[in-house]
Amino acid sequence: EPEVTQTPSHQVTQMGQEVILRCVPISNHLYFYWYRQILGQKVEFLVSFYNNEISEKSEIFDDQFSVERPDGSNFTLKIRSTKLEDSAMYFCASSGRLGNYNEQFFGPGTRLTVL
Amino acid sequence: AQSVTQPDIHITVSEGASLELRCNYSYGATPYLFWYVQSPGQGLQLLLKYFSGDTLVQGIKGFEAEFKRSQSSFNLRKPSVHWSDAAEYFCAVGALSGGSYIPTFGRGTSLIVHP
Repeated sequence: EPEVTQTPSHQVTQMGQEVILRCVPISNHLYFYWYRQILGQKVEFLVSFYNNEISEKSEIFDDQFSVERPDGSNFTLKIRSTKLEDSAMYFCASSGRLGNYNEQFFGPGTRLTVL
Repeated sequence: AQSVTQPDIHITVSEGASLELRCNYSYGATPYLFWYVQSPGQGLQLLLKYFSGDTLVQGIKGFEAEFKRSQSSFNLRKPSVHWSDAAEYFCAVGALSGGSYIPTFGRGTSLIVHP
């Protein structure tokens, strides 16, 4: 069964460093998403991406964040200059064809620790 | 703006016992409601969803949920819990955005299953 994969599973970085979190969505999907979950808190929507551009973003997704689909398979989240409060679990998700409802399939997440 | 409340942070049940996880939502229009499960080290998996029609919806793994508009609730139930059901459960209400539904998640309920 196809699944969303994410690498790395755990990333440790120093405050102020740039990080890139990588995701490989399900191959025929059209919509891509990033969410984050700070420890003990809710899963929060960051951004959705469709047709090579951002279609929706939350207020969390400020200028420090960017997303890219550099090739036909990867979907990346870049944090330009990490802060302590960026420490969280980051989930990638993808969903399929256009229509009334597209179930989102989530990856296992990348745990980001900012020291 | 939509919101979801899961009043129980932890629920402990014995294996074989019945289960009900509570979820209350706030949303201005007809809600699109979801339950997700997150097992340790795994991504979020969709258990079931409600869009319209029959207010009792069946999902995977023997779960069901009932939409009650008068109570703004969408509680998750299972008649007999298995040890493998131990996980984090998230209720979500979805808003259509750009062709897909962006879920707003509750804080989650951690299910502990005693043998």
